[in-house]
Amino acid sequence: SAVISQKPSRDICQRGTSLTIQCQVDSQVTMMFWYRQQPGQSLTLIATANQGSEATYESGFVIDKFPISRPNLTFSTLTVSNMSPEDSSIYLCSVQTGDTEAFFGQGTRLTVV
Amino acid sequence: QKEVEQNSGPLSVPEGAIASLNCTYSDRGSQSFFWYRQYSGKSPELIMSIYSNGDKEDGRFTAQLNKASQYVSLLIRDSQPSDSATYLCAASNAGNNRKLIWGLGTSLAVNP
Repeated sequence: SAVISQKPSRDICQRGTSLTIQCQVDSQVTMMFWYRQQPGQSLTLIATANQGSEATYESGFVIDKFPISRPNLTFSTLTVSNMSPEDSSIYLCSVQTGDTEAFFGQGTRLTVV
Repeated sequence: QKEVEQNSGPLSVPEGAIASLNCTYSDRGSQSFFWYRQYSGKSPELIMSIYSNGDKEDGRFTAQLNKASQYVSLLIRDSQPSDSATYLCAASNAGNNRKLIWGLGTSLAVNP
């Protein structure tokens, strides 16, 4: 398993601003995953973050809106840029062990007003 | 389009009964399957993983996999009110960069 510390746990932001979410893992992992979960919905993968290379974004998500950093094997950040109320959601970082079992951070509940 | 489908529920069972949660998947190349429990306002937590056809038991939980039918299930025996949560099914194909494909989840309510 892996222990993941994610922060902030929640924030209320003004539209047009940006928020950076941080994720720290207690062990080195090759890939980290960023998800969005809207109320009552399942998980939607935003991007996969590999250390030393650019993140791979899923359809519907772009780097300008959701820039990701992955400076080392234990840390990643996701920025939600130029926020609008439609960005209000829970954002989750995740890592997967060798058998693809996924473990999650505590989540960031974002409200854009 | 690779998909994982679950009945959204809510599934309501009395305390002490068996809760049966079902999931089907479309990608025949899927090799790994997972059940997660998510309490309201919390992150998903892994309950069971299963990789081979048949049953896998862990305490009150039993996962069942039938690759021919592309079907995964989770049985919860002696259901407790604390089991009330949303249960997410996920599948992974190692050839798909280990990405997990998630179902929408089934809401379970265990009534005292």
